[in-house]
Amino acid sequence: GIQVEQSPPDLILQEGANSTLRCNFSDSVNNLQWFHQNPWGQLINLFYIPSGTKQNGRLSATTVATERYSLLYISSSQTTDSGVYFCAVEPTDSWGKLQFGAGTQVVVTP
Amino acid sequence: DAGVIQSPRHEVTEMGQEVTLRCKPISGHNSLFWYRQTMMRGLELLIYFNNNVPIDDSGMPEDRFSAKMPNASFSTLKIQPSEPRDSAVYFCASSWLGNEKLFFGSGTQLSVL
Repeated sequence: GIQVEQSPPDLILQEGANSTLRCNFSDSVNNLQWFHQNPWGQLINLFYIPSGTKQNGRLSATTVATERYSLLYISSSQTTDSGVYFCAVEPTDSWGKLQFGAGTQVVVTP
Repeated sequence: DAGVIQSPRHEVTEMGQEVTLRCKPISGHNSLFWYRQTMMRGLELLIYFNNNVPIDDSGMPEDRFSAKMPNASFSTLKIQPSEPRDSAVYFCASSWLGNEKLFFGSGTQLSVL
């Protein structure tokens, strides 16, 4: 099956810093989504981004499907950005079946 | 919209007991998914429904697990009999069409003693 690798596995940031999270995938995909799991366990959909670039406030994401990677940018980080960020992809031969990466654990310190 | 609603939020039970988890998807969404999250295996897709019909249940770990969707606004995931290794957080999620933006419920933390 498709492999989804996220890096780095852990990230510690000081409030106000910028960071980039990466998601590599091993095969062609129909769609790609980024999620944030907050410290209370809630999973929030950040982006539906099979290709191109999108921005939502201090967050933005870019997917280059032909090169099989996606990037999530966090600018001017805040303590509320802490949590785990997951990338999930839907392989072209598996309609509806999102495969999740292992996540990047982000801690933003005041 | 209230989002995806799951109940209960927490469930503690003893090995061998039947457990039923419930989910109400977002109104208008026609695809519903059940996921399980553990430290060891991360987020795993158990089963998904499209227009109330089970499409793929290949992720259901054993025959002890079953899921139903009797109508567009309700689904259940049942474990009978439960075992300690079933302890995990179970998430329900829904989307408009199976491959569109996915929205998760708050999850059910299941502990089987």
